[in-house]
Amino acid sequence: GAGVSQTPSNKVTEKGKYVELRCDPISGHTALYWYRQSLGQGPEFLIYFQGTGAADDSGLPNDRFFAVRPEGSVSTLKIQRTERGDSAVYLCASSRAGLQETQYFGPGTRLLVL
Amino acid sequence: GNSVTQMEGPVTLSEEAFLTINCTYTATGYPSLFWYVQYPGEGLQLLLKATKADDKGSNKGFEATYRKETTSFHLEKGSVQVSDSAVYFCALSDLSNSGYALNFGKGTSLLVTP
Repeated sequence: GAGVSQTPSNKVTEKGKYVELRCDPISGHTALYWYRQSLGQGPEFLIYFQGTGAADDSGLPNDRFFAVRPEGSVSTLKIQRTERGDSAVYLCASSRAGLQETQYFGPGTRLLVL
Repeated sequence: GNSVTQMEGPVTLSEEAFLTINCTYTATGYPSLFWYVQYPGEGLQLLLKATKADDKGSNKGFEATYRKETTSFHLEKGSVQVSDSAVYFCALSDLSNSGYALNFGKGTSLLVTP
């Protein structure tokens, strides 16, 4: 079956612009996660959705970052007033609900802020 | 808080050599432990996991044992192949602290030469 998909695969923007990154989870997966991976680092947690609601947004670095999942499927990560330090690969993962469920990752969106 | 430390790479081995990638963790609760692998040009995928002390996770010839006494989850393989060349990430989730989010190490790059 289809895995987690993310669009766009690459995004180049200028400092101060607004960007949206999209994640399409595996069908039937109610849990969805966003992570950010900087060069040479492991992924860092940003936000976790269970259904439509953000169950844990403790990883969002500041109020320029926001994510939604209005129908409990597709999610969009929104970054306002981008800064050069936002340049990273943004990863999305999904899983079934429940404890110890495996998270399946998408290929990521590589964001470059000039 | 929770954290994962894994050995620095890159690790370069000849085909059929024995592999160990060290991983130690700090957690306030009772974490589950994971190894994820990222092959060139592909997304992160789960390699193996262990959910409680003394559990051994195994997959594709790789093994790791959850050692609570040494807070370790070292990855081993008896005979590596060129196709094992990838970046390996150790990770934990701790429901008593960080919820469902995965805490990753920085990753260890492995290159296997013929």
